[in-house]
Amino acid sequence: EVQLVESGGGLVQPGGSLRLSCAASGFPFSSYEMNWVRQAPGKGLEWVSYISTSGSTIYYADSVKGRFTISRDNAKNSLYLQMNSLRAEDTAVYYCARKDSGNWFDPWGQGTLVTVSS
Amino acid sequence: QSVLTQPPSVSGAPGQRVTISCTGSSSNIGAGYDVHWYQQLPGAAPKLLIYGNTNRPSGVPDRFSGSKSGTSASLAITGLQAEDEADYYCQSYDSSLSGYVFGTGTKVTVL
Repeated sequence: EVQLVESGGGLVQPGGSLRLSCAASGFPFSSYEMNWVRQAPGKGLEWVSYISTSGSTIYYADSVKGRFTISRDNAKNSLYLQMNSLRAEDTAVYYCARKDSGNWFDPWGQGTLVTVSS
Repeated sequence: QSVLTQPPSVSGAPGQRVTISCTGSSSNIGAGYDVHWYQQLPGAAPKLLIYGNTNRPSGVPDRFSGSKSGTSASLAITGLQAEDEADYYCQSYDSSLSGYVFGTGTKVTVL
């Protein structure tokens, strides 16, 4: 079964840091491009970041550029999101999602909640 | 901020047909990028519903259909059922942003 499981969320103070992880299983992780997508409480979906299969190509949404870093470890079938200088507006459920052959996302993980508050 | 615009809500009685529009621009849908649709049930992660404008993944009922024209796309649900009550999002790629974009989301209510 294809599965993505996020972890690492929690409560952090403004200006703090957090590292999210996404463990992949059931498919050849190294062959797929991956993404992070977030959803603020009661709000819509917002794409956050993309990483190519080798990690050589990376993109970020303007809202997180310079503060967040996406990475992957193909040997560990894992995707990461290092989040620094966190702000209240970064509070959201963060999903990892596999990018399929076209520009769509399938499947999605169950999400991990990040709360930025003092 | 979302660059794809959807109506906040649509509703219909069981068995009826509802449609959800997704309006973009010349840098995303109008540039020829495909539109994909996701269903998000309450408290759950999004699930792929339609990919490549019109295609349904295995297991998605044929009550769901997608279309695309110009700078817009639409999702239609025919024979509306209580289990279809959820939030629906369109998604595409935007060349001016060099990133993926989602619609504002539409809540479907079954009356």
